[in-house]
Amino acid sequence: AQKVTQAQTEISVVEKEDVTLDCVYETRDTTYYLFWYKQPPSGELVFLIRRNSFDEQNEISGRYSWNFQKSTSSFNFTITASQVVDSAVYFCALRSLVYGGATNKLIFGTGTLLAVQP
Amino acid sequence: GAGVSQSPSNKVTEKGKDVELRCDPISGHTALYWYRQRLGQGLEFLIYFQGNSAPDKSGLPSDRFSAERTGESVSTLTIQRTQQEDSAVYLCASSPGLWDTQYFGPGTRLTVL
Repeated sequence: AQKVTQAQTEISVVEKEDVTLDCVYETRDTTYYLFWYKQPPSGELVFLIRRNSFDEQNEISGRYSWNFQKSTSSFNFTITASQVVDSAVYFCALRSLVYGGATNKLIFGTGTLLAVQP
Repeated sequence: GAGVSQSPSNKVTEKGKDVELRCDPISGHTALYWYRQRLGQGLEFLIYFQGNSAPDKSGLPSDRFSAERTGESVSTLTIQRTQQEDSAVYLCASSPGLWDTQYFGPGTRLTVL
């Protein structure tokens, strides 16, 4: 079975605080991709990052950083010095590459609503 | 360049009516996906198209749901005899190829009264 769990339903922080959004995944495949998407109030999903299962290097992009740990099946997302514009729902997603199969769907977690207060 | 576009942005319909939702993928993207997002929930996969291959319909919830795509262009998702539980945001995404990152449109919010 493939599953993505985002245990944090809602998080509220004050501007300039750091915040980490948790993502835990399950898959039997050895080759897979993990994603984070941002969904602001406008509704459109914005792609943030994609990692493949063979690359466990952490990544930093400006105030965003991602910590991928296969040993704990986690792909956590940290926003440093949060800003009001970071307020959105954040989704973690999994795509497994099933050899010989036809599936290419993304398996999404239920999302974490981040509210950054001024 | 232009992103994925969807129309209408909002659709209100009465129970039992049929609806058609449209998706225009990013030009040149061969793969197209439909997802459904119920209120407060994550996205559920419905169907995807890749070039001229047979579509993966494994996520369609019932035979009231169908989708078509002509070549590598526009796709329409049709829901027949709508039910109140069909109320959701329907999101379309496209990607350059089968294993590439999916880029999403703004969605169509469907409300079935």
